[in-house]
Amino acid sequence: QVRLVESGGGLVKPGGSLRLSCAASGFPLGDFYMTWIRQAPGKGLEWLSYIGRSGTTIYYADSVKGRFVVSRDNAKNSLYLQMNSLRADDTAVYYCARDQVVTAGDSYDVWGQGTVVIVSS
Amino acid sequence: DILMTQSPSSLSASVGDRVTITCRASQNISIYFNWYQQRPGKAPNLLIYAVSHLHGGVPSRFRGSGSGADFTLAINSLEPEDFATYYCQQTYSLPPTFGGGTKVDI
Repeated sequence: QVRLVESGGGLVKPGGSLRLSCAASGFPLGDFYMTWIRQAPGKGLEWLSYIGRSGTTIYYADSVKGRFVVSRDNAKNSLYLQMNSLRADDTAVYYCARDQVVTAGDSYDVWGQGTVVIVSS
Repeated sequence: DILMTQSPSSLSASVGDRVTITCRASQNISIYFNWYQQRPGKAPNLLIYAVSHLHGGVPSRFRGSGSGADFTLAINSLEPEDFATYYCQQTYSLPPTFGGGTKVDI
């Protein structure tokens, strides 16, 4: 069964750090591009980051560039998001998603259940 | 960044109704366009990719159409499980951006 499971969320103070993990099962993570997306309470979806299959191609949204770092360990079938200098507006549900790259672009065909990050003093 | 504008932001419908949701991009995005469904408290699910291709397992009552900058999601004969929020997305250029969502409720 193809599945993604996020973990590592929680309550953190402004300025603090968290490391999110995304464990893949049912497919070889190394065959896919992967993405992090978040959703603030009551809001829409915001793309955060993209990492290529080998981890050498990485892009970030301006809102997290310089603060968040995405990485992957294909041998462990795991994706990570290191979040530093957290702010209140980083409060959200964080999703990892598998990127199915087809001829007509990317789309996210498998999503995790999400992990909640709350940034508050 | 490419702005994706969905309309309406919400709509009320009944089981069996046909509904349409539109999404307009701030520039031509060719066919680099997707639709997602998000049920309350759940992660989004891919519905349609590349404008009109149904993701595996998605019922045929869902139909995507459009080109360039204007796109439409039609749901024929609403089922109870279709009451959800729908998001459009462009992947023509970085960063990928989503529309604000359309909530379909009873």
